[in-house]
Amino acid sequence: AQTVTQSQPEMSVQEAETVTLSCTYDTSESDYYLFWYKQPPSRQMILVIRQEAYKQQNATENRFSVNFQKAAKSFSLKISDSQLGDAAMYFCAYRSGSGSARQLTFGSGTQLTVLP
Amino acid sequence: ETGVTQSPTHLIKTRGQQVTLRCSSQSGHNTVSWYQQALGQGPQFIFQYYREEENGRGNFPPRFSGLQFPNYSSELNVNALELDDSALYLCASSPLGGGGETQYFGPGTRLLVL
Repeated sequence: AQTVTQSQPEMSVQEAETVTLSCTYDTSESDYYLFWYKQPPSRQMILVIRQEAYKQQNATENRFSVNFQKAAKSFSLKISDSQLGDAAMYFCAYRSGSGSARQLTFGSGTQLTVLP
Repeated sequence: ETGVTQSPTHLIKTRGQQVTLRCSSQSGHNTVSWYQQALGQGPQFIFQYYREEENGRGNFPPRFSGLQFPNYSSELNVNALELDDSALYLCASSPLGGGGETQYFGPGTRLLVL
């Protein structure tokens, strides 16, 4: 079974600065997808960014980018120019590329605080 | 385009009761997944429905059951509620297709079991 580990329960960053959230995962599969979701106090899980394992290029979405190290099974999220609205719980998630259900396996989350 | 919606937003039940939670999938999405998120934890997969049939199940007992309707909306039913069932229940929809589909979540239903 796949596991996802987020070793930083809490992180803080100064507004306009850069922060990196860590995620490692364990799998024996070669075909899979990785995601970062953001969950603000409103509780709705919002997709931040996704990465296909077969792509060597790191995904980017505006101020959000990932550092995907497949051999090390590491998938960190970098937030540049942090804004107050970035404050939320961030979850790393894994999804197999095979099988019928392809459910998401989540880490335990990192609570990000943005300081003004 | 309408996103994923869930109802009710929150509810309170007592131990032993039964509850039904509802989810409407995003337009164009034919697959619905349900997750349970206990306080302070990441979501745990309950099950997934595709074309009105259960398409996969996590480590949850049979008293957790579901349905999917022809319009792809879905229900999660929980019988014989226990205190540990208190959690946020999240529904996610996706267009099951080529394998890379992303799941989009609704706002969740907060269930409190007393």
